[in-house]
Amino acid sequence: QVQLVESGGGVVQPGGSLRLSCAASGFTLSSYGIHWVRQAPGKGLEWVAVISSDGRNKYYADSVKGRFTISRDSSKNTLYLQMNSLRAEDTAVYFCAKDDYYDGSGYHWFDPWGQGTLVTVSS
Amino acid sequence: DIQMTQSPSSLSASVGDRVTITCRASQSISSYFNWYQQEPGRAPKLLIYAASSLQSGVPSRFSGSGSGTDFTLTISSLQPEDSATYYCQQTYSTPYTFGQGTKLEIK
Repeated sequence: QVQLVESGGGVVQPGGSLRLSCAASGFTLSSYGIHWVRQAPGKGLEWVAVISSDGRNKYYADSVKGRFTISRDSSKNTLYLQMNSLRAEDTAVYFCAKDDYYDGSGYHWFDPWGQGTLVTVSS
Repeated sequence: DIQMTQSPSSLSASVGDRVTITCRASQSISSYFNWYQQEPGRAPKLLIYAASSLQSGVPSRFSGSGSGTDFTLTISSLQPEDSATYYCQQTYSTPYTFGQGTKLEIK
């Protein structure tokens, strides 16, 4: 069964750092692109970052560029999101999601998603 | 960035009704387009991918159509368990933007 489980959320002061983890099971993380998506309380979904299947390409939303870093440890089948210089507006539930696709079509989508982990940035 | 605009933002319908949600992209995205359902306190769930393909396990009352800039999600006969927020998404180019969501309530 393909599954993603996030962890590492918590309360952090503005300017602080936090590292989120996303543990994959049922598939090999390094064979797929993986995304981070966040959802502020009562708000919609915001794409945050993606790492490509080969790990060479990483893309970020402008709102987190230069502060967040996406990475993975293939030996642990785990994805990470290192979040530095955190701001109040980073408060959200953070989801990881697997990038799925048709071979050759170029079309892709997010499935499945983890259950999310809550990050609260507050003094 | 590609902007995704959903309408309506919320709607209320009765069991058995036919419901339509629309989404418009700010530029052509071919069929790089998906729909998700999110129940309160839960992770989003994929419903439709590549604009019109039904995800395995999703009831056949859900369908998607469109290409280019205009897309539609249709629920042919609304069921109580369809109460949720629905999001559209483009995966044409990063940032992979979502619509603002449509909250569907059952009367």
